[in-house]
Amino acid sequence: DQQVKQNSPSLSVQEGRISILNCDYTNSMFDYFLWYKKYPAEGPTFLISISSIKDKNEDGRFTVFLNKSAKHLSLHIVPSQPGDSAVYFCAASVWRDAGKSTFGDGTTLTVKP
Amino acid sequence: DTAVSQTPKYLVTQMGNDKSIKCEQNLGHDTMYWYKQDSKKFLKIMFSYNNKELIINETVPNRFSPKSPDKAHLNLHINSLELGDSAVYFCASSPLRVAGNTIYFGEGSWLTVV
Repeated sequence: DQQVKQNSPSLSVQEGRISILNCDYTNSMFDYFLWYKKYPAEGPTFLISISSIKDKNEDGRFTVFLNKSAKHLSLHIVPSQPGDSAVYFCAASVWRDAGKSTFGDGTTLTVKP
Repeated sequence: DTAVSQTPKYLVTQMGNDKSIKCEQNLGHDTMYWYKQDSKKFLKIMFSYNNKELIINETVPNRFSPKSPDKAHLNLHINSLELGDSAVYFCASSPLRVAGNTIYFGEGSWLTVV
């Protein structure tokens, strides 16, 4: 039972353009969502989060959008940079237990110079 | 200065052996975790400890035994290793179990059972 899905295993964009990474979830109990970024041979690092009381959260070039009715969230990176090339994991949890996050299987983003 | 460090980073061992992966965090966090990333790339939580007390124990074979000598350390011991145990194991920590805190991951330990 895969409760968090990232249907695109990979995404390739040109430097300077927008990258949009998508994530769908099935468990309506989830009320806190996170994006992690992972470089090869490193652990995931926190990127940005959003709670279910919001539909948008912005941090510099990164914006996360949440559509609760569709159980869908997306990460927008504008403008994309070659250093953004990494695996991006979507994660979902209950606010009160964010340590027990359910992760998607990741999307590999490649930003071409 | 690594916040969450785990050793060894790479481990190749034979079936049936017993091995341990050590983890230490210097962030002063109360909660530590072990996650497993399998061949399908899913990150799944295995265990969670809060101040040396076991909080989460997902459906993990009892060949896996976490040990927390203090709140800065959470080691993972695996008995009678099987081929299916081959994976990347990530140690992690967070300030509190509650209130939307993020998780800080170690670099991972690549375990290969042959």
